[in-house]
Amino acid sequence: KQEVTQIPAALSVPEGENLVLNCSFTDSAIYNLQWFRQDPGKGLTSLLLIQSSQREQTSGRLNASLDKSSGRSTLYIAASQPGDSATYLCAPLLNFGNEKLTFGTGTRLTIIP
Amino acid sequence: NAGVTQTPKFRILKIGQSMTLQCTQDMNHNYMYWYRQDPGMGLKLIYYSVGAGITDKGEVPNGYNVSRSTTEDFPLRLELAAPSQTSVYFCASSYSEGGRAQPQHFGDGTRLSIL
Repeated sequence: KQEVTQIPAALSVPEGENLVLNCSFTDSAIYNLQWFRQDPGKGLTSLLLIQSSQREQTSGRLNASLDKSSGRSTLYIAASQPGDSATYLCAPLLNFGNEKLTFGTGTRLTIIP
Repeated sequence: NAGVTQTPKFRILKIGQSMTLQCTQDMNHNYMYWYRQDPGMGLKLIYYSVGAGITDKGEVPNGYNVSRSTTEDFPLRLELAAPSQTSVYFCASSYSEGGRAQPQHFGDGTRLSIL
């Protein structure tokens, strides 16, 4: 059974800093991995989807990397802004076809103005 | 473009009551999902559907039922509400074809309390 761990559970950094969020998973035979953000009282918004054949995926100030063999992914946020404050979740997908994502419990990020 | 719409946003039920959580999407996605999110826990898959008329169990299906009669709608039914079903419920959808899974899109959730 896939287990997903996100450390730290919470993180506070001053505005403007670059930061890295970590995600580890136990079963490395994944098809892809998604990073989501969740704002309080809201649903999840997909940020990046990185295929198992990719090493990196970028969108604006966000960069996700994937090391399948070691069961790790990182989300890099450059030049953080107060609007980046949210909970960030990673979710690897084991098999194409059943689309069953396994979610971590997330990292709650606070950007201090 | 509305995306994934869930109704109601909030609901309080008494133990033993039943209700249906509604979910509709306007993106012509073939896959739809129901998750629950408990405090401090990751989202857990309840049921999912790969197309109209096809549904399958996820990780925590007990106490729930689903149907998928159209591409757009995927209602979740609680038959005999129990306190353990107090949670936030999220519906999601995605498009998958040709061996390339696309991102899942989520609704804003239904906050359900069973008292």
